[in-house]
Amino acid sequence: GQNIDQPTEMTATEGAIVQINCTYQTSGFNGLFWYQQHAGEAPTFLSYNVLDGLEEKGRFSSFLSRSKGYSYLLLKELQMKDSASYLCAVRDISPGSNYQLIWGAGTKLIIKP
Amino acid sequence: DGGITQSPKYLFRKEGQNVTLSCEQNLNHDAMYWYRQDPGQGLRLIYYSQIVNDFQKGDIAEGYSVSREKKESFPLTVTSAQKNPTAFYLCASSIGPLGQGYEQYFGPGTRLTVT
Repeated sequence: GQNIDQPTEMTATEGAIVQINCTYQTSGFNGLFWYQQHAGEAPTFLSYNVLDGLEEKGRFSSFLSRSKGYSYLLLKELQMKDSASYLCAVRDISPGSNYQLIWGAGTKLIIKP
Repeated sequence: DGGITQSPKYLFRKEGQNVTLSCEQNLNHDAMYWYRQDPGQGLRLIYYSQIVNDFQKGDIAEGYSVSREKKESFPLTVTSAQKNPTAFYLCASSIGPLGQGYEQYFGPGTRLTVT
């Protein structure tokens, strides 16, 4: 079947580093997205990984291991504005999927001063 | 500025009434999508459209209907047949189909409450 797991909630301190994990199970993996969503607002695109390895974008980095069905989002130099939910989504190309995204429930990140 | 607009932000309806949620984009994107978001769950796809005058059902299409008469517009009607319509509804678009790895851009959402 198809499944995506993320921790429900995490807490970190301003200025620190936090890693948000995402594990997935799908028979037709073809790319993984990370989105940020502030409460009551629209998700905004952070990163896209389709090959194994680390993609770095400023304070945010995303890692993918296709063999382990695993990704993480790494946030450095945390700021209060990083308090949000982080959504992991996998593009599924298995038969009947219509190439649509399977979404995790999101990880709510709380930043404390 | 280009983007996606959804209106209204908050919508209240009585049970048994149909209601239409608006979604407009000026990004010149071909593909558009409707999701619903419920607490503790991932986004669930209701309908999507890859081109004008064509749309497909997503995972939870029952009780919903859409139209795609213009490239810019993809309204969603929540019918009285939808058993649990209270939710946060998100509209999204992408420059091309998801099968080619394009990211989605989301509108600000409409929070629908049905009592």
